[in-house]
Amino acid sequence: AQKVTQAQTEISVVEKEDVTLDCVYETRDTTYYLFWYKQPPSGELVFLIRRNSFDEQNEISGRYSWNFQKSTSSFNFTITASQVVDSAVYFCALSEAETDSWGKLQFGAGTQVVVTP
Amino acid sequence: KAGVTQTPRYLIKTRGQQVTLSCSPISGHRSVSWYQQTPGQGLQFLFEYFSETQRNKGNFPGRFSGRQFSNSRSEMNVSTLELGDSALYLCASGTESSTDTQYFGPGTRLTVL
Repeated sequence: AQKVTQAQTEISVVEKEDVTLDCVYETRDTTYYLFWYKQPPSGELVFLIRRNSFDEQNEISGRYSWNFQKSTSSFNFTITASQVVDSAVYFCALSEAETDSWGKLQFGAGTQVVVTP
Repeated sequence: KAGVTQTPRYLIKTRGQQVTLSCSPISGHRSVSWYQQTPGQGLQFLFEYFSETQRNKGNFPGRFSGRQFSNSRSEMNVSTLELGDSALYLCASGTESSTDTQYFGPGTRLTVL
């Protein structure tokens, strides 16, 4: 069963608009970690942010911010004032703190963000 | 600090052949995980190695194997290649924790003809 769902396949915006990416996860663990990665056309997955299940405080880091809500199992990610360089595929990922999940990230299907000038 | 390196970056093989991909983790990282990315299946976990031992394995056939050396470098091998093995193979490195942040390399794009 898919444990991470990214319902948005593609989002197109004009530069300087804000972009919010949705992520819904499923886990029975009480301890888990959530991540957002960015994959530009070059293919490399670039780490953006990480959050653990015990810290629901939402933060802002530069133009990035996130909204973690355990009650709805959601971990949404926002890019403020988007730029053309933000065009990429964004992946939400889950890591469960069970002993049989060492080094295993479970990814959503990804959301393609297209930012036009 | 240098990032994760993967070689080769591109590879073309024919069905039935075998292939070996290499990954060098970030200095000081002892965990290496491998992922396969295809348009149809997305990003899927292959296996993870830590201190030369396989700690976890995904749902892939036995044709997919790997190993890790004492310097933490890892290799992944695919035998008897099939057309469906065409994919981007990504390697990630981390420290020790099962939930540590993984940092990815640029990937090896394998095409099977």
